[in-house]
Amino acid sequence: RKEVEQDPGPFNVPEGATVAFNCTYSNSASQSFFWYRQDCRKEPKLLMSVYSSGNEDGRFTAQLNRASQYISLLIRDSKLSDSATYLCVVSRVSNTGKLIFGQGTTLQVKP
Amino acid sequence: DAGVTQSPTHLIKTRGQQVTLRCSPKSGHDTVSWYQQALGQGPQFIFQYYEEEERQRGNFPDRFSGHQFPNYSSELNVNALLLGDSALYLCASSLDGIPVVSYEQYFGPGTRLTVT
Repeated sequence: RKEVEQDPGPFNVPEGATVAFNCTYSNSASQSFFWYRQDCRKEPKLLMSVYSSGNEDGRFTAQLNRASQYISLLIRDSKLSDSATYLCVVSRVSNTGKLIFGQGTTLQVKP
Repeated sequence: DAGVTQSPTHLIKTRGQQVTLRCSPKSGHDTVSWYQQALGQGPQFIFQYYEEEERQRGNFPDRFSGHQFPNYSSELNVNALLLGDSALYLCASSLDGIPVVSYEQYFGPGTRLTVT
């Protein structure tokens, strides 16, 4: 079983739709959580960190449930420019700097 | 402010050959991590360098080795290339010592390695 699991999709949604991505992690020692965005054939870029209290950045909302070891990302009012692969990422305090990536979820927003 | 740079951008090698990939970290960063991303997969951690030493290593064979220079730049070496080594190799830099909660790694554009 992979340490970080995501539904690879693809998710095909119309512009303006709300879409949610889910991710589970298996190691309870995980301490830091992130969503990265990766455009086709480009490098991953940090979209947002995820905190237990939940956090929002414009149209993007991330939630963390430590008890269920579950992370989510909600995108409201999808734009064509949101089309990308979204990577769920965790890091453990004891392993400074090692990021553990999920497989990624592909989103395609259509006009 | 220069971001993370990597060279070369693309590389084609034959099985059994050796390859060296290079990375310059973002200005002000002192830690370099290397990741391998196979097609359709998320990046996998290879190793991390800090103060010119390998600080942490992922589940990769000894054919994968690295080096960090006094200016914080880094090299990734892969010996005896296999077809399965074909992937995008990403370098990420960060600054050691910042709180883990706000920890962020900045990725370079990657080197796409094809082994034939």
